[in-house]
Amino acid sequence: DAKTTQPNSMESNEEEPVHLPCNHSTISGTDYIHWYRQLPSQGPEYVIHGLTSNVNNRMASLAIAEDRKSSTLILHRATLRDAAVYYCILRDFSNSGYALNFGKGTSLLVTP
Amino acid sequence: DAGITQSPRYKITETGRQVTLMCHQTWSHSYMFWYRQDLGHGLRLIYYSAAADITDKGEVPDGYVVSRSKTENFPLTLESATRSQTSVYFCASSESRGSNQPQHFGDGTRLSIL
Repeated sequence: DAKTTQPNSMESNEEEPVHLPCNHSTISGTDYIHWYRQLPSQGPEYVIHGLTSNVNNRMASLAIAEDRKSSTLILHRATLRDAAVYYCILRDFSNSGYALNFGKGTSLLVTP
Repeated sequence: DAGITQSPRYKITETGRQVTLMCHQTWSHSYMFWYRQDLGHGLRLIYYSAAADITDKGEVPDGYVVSRSKTENFPLTLESATRSQTSVYFCASSESRGSNQPQHFGDGTRLSIL
C-alpha cells in the first residue's frame, strides 16, 4: 500500500467540527482511501471510504482533494465518544483482501 | 445479534499450554482475518481466509494455527503458548476481496501468557 502521513494528535472541543487531514502524495489511480478509528479497548471500526468524489455517511464525511494527494475526514459535531485513534489507509486492487496497514494514526482528544 | 463476536474477551494462561480464540460472524462474509496488536507494532496480520477450507499466512504466522470448516467461524489456536504471544487479538471479516470493501472487527481478546 502507498504511504499515508497523519498528524500524531489533534484536539477538539465537544460539539465543534473536526477536520482530520491525511497526506498520500504517492497514491495510485486505483487506490481507495479508507478511514478507520479505534476507541479505547475496542477493535478498529470502519468509518468511511472513497475513490475520487467526496463521500458522506451517518458517521462522517470524506473530502478528497482534486489531485487525490490528500484527504480530510470531517466529523461534523464531535462528541466525547469520538475520542479515538483515526487511521487513514490506502487500499489497492493488487493486495486487496489482505492486511490493512494501520500505521500510527491520529489520536483525537475531545474536550467538554 | 448480527456482527462479529470474539470469545473469550480475556484469557490468562501459562507458557506451553494450548489455547484457542474463537471468532464468529453472522454476515456470511467470505474473508476473515486474525490480527494481533502490540504497542510499537500496530496491528499485524497473522492469518486470513478467503473461504471455508481456504487459509493463508499473513505477516506473523509462526506459533499459530487456524482452521475454517464453516464460513462463519475462524478459530485461532496457539499450540504451545509463549510469553511473546501476549497480545490483543482481533478478528475481522469482509464481504469480498475488493479494494473498496471494508473490514469489520470484533472487540478483541486480551491474552496474557504467564
